[in-house]
Amino acid sequence: SAVISQKPSRDICQRGTSLTIQCQVDSQVTMMFWYRQQPGQSLTLIATANQGSEATYESGFVIDKFPISRPNLTFSTLTVSNMSPEDSSIYLCSVEQGARGTDTQYFGPGTRLTVL
Amino acid sequence: AQKITQTQPGMFVQEKEAVTLDCTYDTSDPSYGLFWYKQPSSGEMIFLIYQGSYDQQNATEGRYSLNFQKARKSANLVISASQLGDSAMYFCAMREVSTGNQFYFGTGTSLTVIP
Repeated sequence: SAVISQKPSRDICQRGTSLTIQCQVDSQVTMMFWYRQQPGQSLTLIATANQGSEATYESGFVIDKFPISRPNLTFSTLTVSNMSPEDSSIYLCSVEQGARGTDTQYFGPGTRLTVL
Repeated sequence: AQKITQTQPGMFVQEKEAVTLDCTYDTSDPSYGLFWYKQPSSGEMIFLIYQGSYDQQNATEGRYSLNFQKARKSANLVISASQLGDSAMYFCAMREVSTGNQFYFGTGTSLTVIP
């Protein structure tokens, strides 16, 4: 399976600021996914990032708040803009890889964000 | 309707015993995949096991097995010989082909292994 790294692993930020999270994969992948996991909750898909095109956002998430870049097939960034305490979450990137046709999603270690 | 339902918010198991974590799913798509992930307190999501809707046999991966009952739409995870390191959140997930292969996650079950 792909090896995925994320930076930073955690951060504490002030209200109104922005944070950019990086996701690096050790192999080329077509799609990368960004999820949010609020405290005590399950995962919610923010957007799907394809290289060379605009990210596709899920209902409730907008580009102005969560701009995404996908400059190549191994890298993506998610920015959390104008943060508020409600943005405190774990943010996870993932990629899809098929072993025996499973198309499993593999996740990075996550970025734990706290907004004060 | 919820795509994935996990009805056990928390479970306890004695070390070395087996434990079953429940998962039911809702889909009318004939082609789908079912997954289990483990999330330790560190926050990482670790893929454990996969079951395809057309698979005839239950999936197994080491101490993990998936009890797939298609007619009942259930995909329970069985962990045998529990270890202290198995203490974590466990999430069941489903991928539907008809919805563009989007993943749907359950609310998770917190498993605590007691020494």
